[in-house]
Amino acid sequence: QSALTQPASVSGSPGQSITISCTGTGSDVGKYDLVSWYQQHPGKAPKVVIYELTKRPSGVSNRFSGSKSGNTASLTISGLQAEDEADYHCCSYAGTDTWVFGGGTKVTVL
Amino acid sequence: EVQLVQSGPEMKKPGESLKISCKGSGYNFATYWIAWVRQMPGKGLEWMASFYPGDSDTRYSPSFQGHVTISGDKSTSTAYLQWSSLKASDTAMYYCARQSSPWNWGQGTLVAVSS
Repeated sequence: QSALTQPASVSGSPGQSITISCTGTGSDVGKYDLVSWYQQHPGKAPKVVIYELTKRPSGVSNRFSGSKSGNTASLTISGLQAEDEADYHCCSYAGTDTWVFGGGTKVTVL
Repeated sequence: EVQLVQSGPEMKKPGESLKISCKGSGYNFATYWIAWVRQMPGKGLEWMASFYPGDSDTRYSPSFQGHVTISGDKSTSTAYLQWSSLKASDTAMYYCARQSSPWNWGQGTLVAVSS
């Protein structure tokens, strides 16, 4: 059970769109649509922005969207804002009631 | 309102034992898995293990199997994560989360292990 692979950092200017990738295998990301994305500001607990691949919790901006192609899931943030600067973590179900996270991606708003 | 409230920060010495807790409220505690997630300083999140209060079933990540023990008490709606002999490398923030759709997270428990 290896960690999912995320880029260490992604940056963009205000108003731009950015996409964060999360690459797993055919046993986790590729097999299940149970991928979630978490936003984490320094010193805070993770906050879910996408769950079950494409669903947004109540109160989360529609600027956040999720998708998947093969073994890679993606989180897109459109209309980037200063408040989006944070760490983002992906998580996937890996079968038999087990889960796996990615290494996290630092998003910087230039 | 669903809430998971975790026990307070801990400062321990290597070799000591520790048990931290996660108390659920606002839902039927017995019917949702509780996950434990580690975050080492400056690092990403790691799924450690999950506990099902209804029948005390457990699942462990291979990376943590044998190093920690998870348990719970559905009568008090509390889940536990414990170590029998802490190491300095156990220094981290530990989160519990209800495995619902989406997950509900506790506020985290900071564990610091130093001689």
